[in-house]
This record gives sequence, structure tokens and C-alpha cells, in this order.
Amino acid sequence: NAGVTQTPKFQVLKTGQSMTLQCAQDMNHEYMSWYRQDPGMGLRLIHYSVGAGITDQGEVPNGYNVSRSTTEDFPLRLLSAAPSQTSVYFCASSKTGGPYNEQFFGPGTRLTVL
Amino acid sequence: DAKTTQPNSMESNEEEPVHLPCNHSTISGTDYIHWYRQLPSQGPEYVIHGLTSNVNNRMASLAIAEDRKSSTLILHRATLRDAAVYYCILTKGGATNKLIFGTGTLLAVQP
Repeated sequence: NAGVTQTPKFQVLKTGQSMTLQCAQDMNHEYMSWYRQDPGMGLRLIHYSVGAGITDQGEVPNGYNVSRSTTEDFPLRLLSAAPSQTSVYFCASSKTGGPYNEQFFGPGTRLTVL
Repeated sequence: DAKTTQPNSMESNEEEPVHLPCNHSTISGTDYIHWYRQLPSQGPEYVIHGLTSNVNNRMASLAIAEDRKSSTLILHRATLRDAAVYYCILTKGGATNKLIFGTGTLLAVQP
């Protein structure tokens, strides 16, 4: 198993540009989520999904869109990038959305918005 | 939501045990206690979780106080590879698996 994969590893955008961060898992996990981590801080939840076709907002959803058309993929879209979205983005998955499940994290995407 | 309190940093010597404390005085009866760690420049990694009883796995042990208002992550023999930020996180029973991260404890391991 590749686990949770994220692409790209690094990305530089200009203010106002749009892009999609890709996340995929090959473990047939129902639950997937996106976090961002700013320097010196813990991770903050952006959006999550308990299964294909179902998404919901986390702590900091503004400026980000998600959709979940398949079990494997959970892309994160930035519609109009802003410097405040400069951060490291982590995708995670777990077998189900139950609160007792171990979550598996991807290696992260480091995004800089100029 | 119940919050957790951890020391900002701790130091340990290699091959010695490490006890990482976490206070969660407002924990409710159905909250799970999770520990994750984050090595430098990597994504978080699951360590262990528990509800009421102490738990052991290949990585660590989790000791939960009888009143559940605190817990301790125990690394039995620290190695240099254990240097990381350790997060103590509560997840609410009956709710989805949302992890709310604090700032964690930065563990330094000296050779």
C-alpha cells in the first residue's frame, strides 16, 4: 500500500491564482480530511468527508472548496489564493469516521502564495 | 469541546524512559484520548489511543488516570528518532473523527 499520497510536494502561487491540491489513499478508507499547519502551530482542520459524496466544514474552511466523488480521492481547491493561505497542507484518512480510529497522514504539500 | 494542556517542551536522554503528561480536566465520559507525534518536516503519525483503561502497543504505553482528568504517554526507551512534537488530542464519542490539535510538547532527546 502507498498509504496517503499528496501532490505536489511544493507549490508557489501568485495572489489570485487557483489550484487544486491532490490527495489519494489506497486503503479503502471512508473518512478523509484536510489540515493546514502554519509555522510553530498545531494543525487546523479545513474540511472533512465521511464518505463519497459527503463533505463538511472544519475549523478554518474559508477560501477552500472540496468534493469527494470517489472513495480514494479528496482534492482541495483554492479558488483565489491569498498570502494568508501560505502554509503546509496535510491530508489524512481513517477507516471510518468513528472517533476511535487511527488516522494516517500524507507527507504534506508546502504552499507559498506571493 | 474538552481541551488538553501539555508542557511546551521536555528533554530526555537516549535509552531512558520518557513520561509525557497531558491534562484534560473537562473530559467527558465518552471522549477518547489520542496521542500523535510529528517528526520534523513530516506529517503527524498515530502513536496510541485509549478510553478508560491503560493501553500498550509496540510504540508506547498510555496510562490514564482513574478519574480520566489526565493521562501520560510513556516511551519506554527513548531513541534519537523519538525527537518530535507530541500531541494529546480528545475525540468526542458519537461524533466524527475530527482531530483538534493544540501546540503539543516538543521532546528533545539527548545522546
